[in-house]
Amino acid sequence: SQTIHQWPATLVQPVGSPLSLECTVEGTSNPNLYWYRQAAGRGLQLLFYSVGIGQISSEVPQNLSASRPQDRQFILSSKKLLLSDSGFYLCAWMGGVGGYTFGSGTRLTVV
Amino acid sequence: GESVGLHLPTLSVQEGDNSIINCAYSNSASDYFIWYKQESGKGPQFIIDIRSNMDKRQGQRVTVLLNKTVKHLSLQIAATQPGDSAVYFCAENPGGGADGLTFGKGTHLIIQP
Repeated sequence: SQTIHQWPATLVQPVGSPLSLECTVEGTSNPNLYWYRQAAGRGLQLLFYSVGIGQISSEVPQNLSASRPQDRQFILSSKKLLLSDSGFYLCAWMGGVGGYTFGSGTRLTVV
Repeated sequence: GESVGLHLPTLSVQEGDNSIINCAYSNSASDYFIWYKQESGKGPQFIIDIRSNMDKRQGQRVTVLLNKTVKHLSLQIAATQPGDSAVYFCAENPGGGADGLTFGKGTHLIIQP
């Protein structure tokens, strides 16, 4: 069966520090992968999606970047975090029941 | 930006009552809609979906209604239970392709004992 893993679950980082969040999918090949961000009291905002290795589409200009070094790996990064980068980050893949399956999320607090 | 929105940020119902959560969408080209449930600190979980060629779909204790004329989507939860307390999001897939879902802001459903 297909599973999606996302880590870490929580992260507290100082302003100006780098960021790397990782997401991996098991049990499927060549998945479409997505990074969403959820600010407090708001819905999910699509940040990036990828349909294959090295292919990244950005939905909003921001302080973040994404990479897909392997078929089932999707990484969200930043060189220097801002306070406004705080939020709940969710990875998802296009598949499973309902068409999209989400990871358990990473709660990022920039201090 | 968010093209799918919700009418109420919080909905409080008595345990055992039925609840209805509403959603308005703006993209008439959307052909697929999903309702998700998100518990605190967790990722969204699929509840039920509906395609644009349908106006109603039923699951276990849940029903989704789609009114394409007014671009309105609703989620009905029958006989609510404490475990139904969560934030509920509607989402649409505007292009039907790989470019992701557009989510509404969410409705926080609170089940009163």
